[in-house]
Amino acid sequence: QQQVKQSPQSLIVQKGGISIINCAYENTAFDYFPWYQQFPGKGPALLIAIRPDVSEKKEGRFTISFNKSAKQFSLHIMDSQPGDSATYFCAASAGYSSASKIIFGSGTRLSIRP
Amino acid sequence: NAGVTQTPKFRVLKTGQSMTLLCAQDMNHEYMYWYRQDPGMGLRLIHYSVGEGTTAKGEVPDGYNVSRLKKQNFLLGLESAAPSQTSVYFCASSYPTGTLRTYEQYFGPGTRLTVT
Repeated sequence: QQQVKQSPQSLIVQKGGISIINCAYENTAFDYFPWYQQFPGKGPALLIAIRPDVSEKKEGRFTISFNKSAKQFSLHIMDSQPGDSATYFCAASAGYSSASKIIFGSGTRLSIRP
Repeated sequence: NAGVTQTPKFRVLKTGQSMTLLCAQDMNHEYMYWYRQDPGMGLRLIHYSVGEGTTAKGEVPDGYNVSRLKKQNFLLGLESAAPSQTSVYFCASSYPTGTLRTYEQYFGPGTRLTVT
C-alpha cells in the first residue's frame, strides 16, 4: 500500500523556469511533511518541511503548498537552476506516535536544462 | 563531526552468503533507521531503533536482522543473501527534541550491494 503517491516520475525544466512536483497522502494521522533532495551517489538530505496547520512554507526559491482537505501537497522550485538537478522525495510522518518514522514517495528525477 | 557514516561503500555477494552493514553516528541521536532504495520505489524502511538495545520492524524486514548494542551504532545483517536484496542501503538517524526540525533524519552516504 503506497501511502504517499508522488508525480511525475521525471521532469525536465528549462533554466529559470518553475519546477512543480506533486504528492498525495492517505493517512490523516500524518502531521509532518518533508521534502528530501538527493544528488547522485549521496544520501537524501532535508530540503524543506511543513506542518498541516499552514498552507504554504517558503525558503528561498523553494515553496511547499499544502491542501489539507484534498490531502495533497506540492513542491515549487522557482527560477530553477542546473544545480537543482537531483531526485526529490516527498514524505510524511505521524511524528512521535510512530517513532518519527517517515514514509517516502517514489521520487522525481528533476533535470534542469541550461 | 562526521555525521552518519556507513561501511562498506560497495559489496558484491554470492547468493547464500552473509554480511553485516555498519552504521555509525556521532550526533548522539536516539533514533536510527535502515532503508533500502530501489528504482521507482523510493526509500523503504527495513528496521529501526528508538534507543540502545531496542529494535523494531519496518515495512520490509524479511531477510534482515539488526542490532543496536551501542547508541552510536546500528548494524544490519543479511544471513543468507538473495538477488532480491540487491539494492542501495541507507542508514539514518534522528533526535526528537520537540521542534519541527527534530523529525529530520540525517542520512549516511549509502552502501551499494549486489547479490549474484
